[in-house]
Amino acid sequence: RKEVEQDPGPFNVPEGATVAFNCTYSNSASQSFFWYRQDCRKEPKLLMSVYSSGNEDGRFTAQLNRASQYISLLIRDSKLSDSATYLCVVKTASKIIFGSGTRLSIRP
Amino acid sequence: GAGVSQSPSNKVTEKGKDVELRCDPISGHTALYWYRQSLGQGLEFLIYFQGNSAPDKSGLPSDRFSAERTGGSVSTLTIQRTQQEDSAVYLCASSRRTGDSPLHFGNGTRLTVT
Repeated sequence: RKEVEQDPGPFNVPEGATVAFNCTYSNSASQSFFWYRQDCRKEPKLLMSVYSSGNEDGRFTAQLNRASQYISLLIRDSKLSDSATYLCVVKTASKIIFGSGTRLSIRP
Repeated sequence: GAGVSQSPSNKVTEKGKDVELRCDPISGHTALYWYRQSLGQGLEFLIYFQGNSAPDKSGLPSDRFSAERTGGSVSTLTIQRTQQEDSAVYLCASSRRTGDSPLHFGNGTRLTVT
């Protein structure tokens, strides 16, 4: 079993739709969590950290469920510019693990 | 402020040659990571430096790969006797030591071995 698992997609949704991704992790000692986005042929860029109480940044909402060991990302009112690969990242005391990413494509 | 800087941005080399890739992390970031990403694939961890501690080299794919970090700042990744399967984008990232600090990536070096 992979340490961090994501649905690879692709998710193909119309502009304005709401879309959600989940990411599961296997190490219950994981300490911190992030979502990154990666555009084609570009480096990953931090989208948002994920806090225990859940957090929101504009159209983006991230949540953490420690009991079930998953994090989620919700994108509301999706824009064409949201098309990218979304990477789930989990940090333990000794390492950082990247998920393989979920591809999102927003269509007009 | 300045981000993570990598050079060169592109490198084309012949099979069998050695290459050296450079990473200049964000000032004050004690942690430095190297990753590799082949086209359409996920990130592959290579090596991790944290301050003056011994680096975590567990991701280096073979003994042709080595990395060093001098003075706790700039890092170089060296690939000896390059092979075509080494072709990929090599990404460097840095972060503060604290556990909840995110990684900040450089633009990467696109390596092509012909």
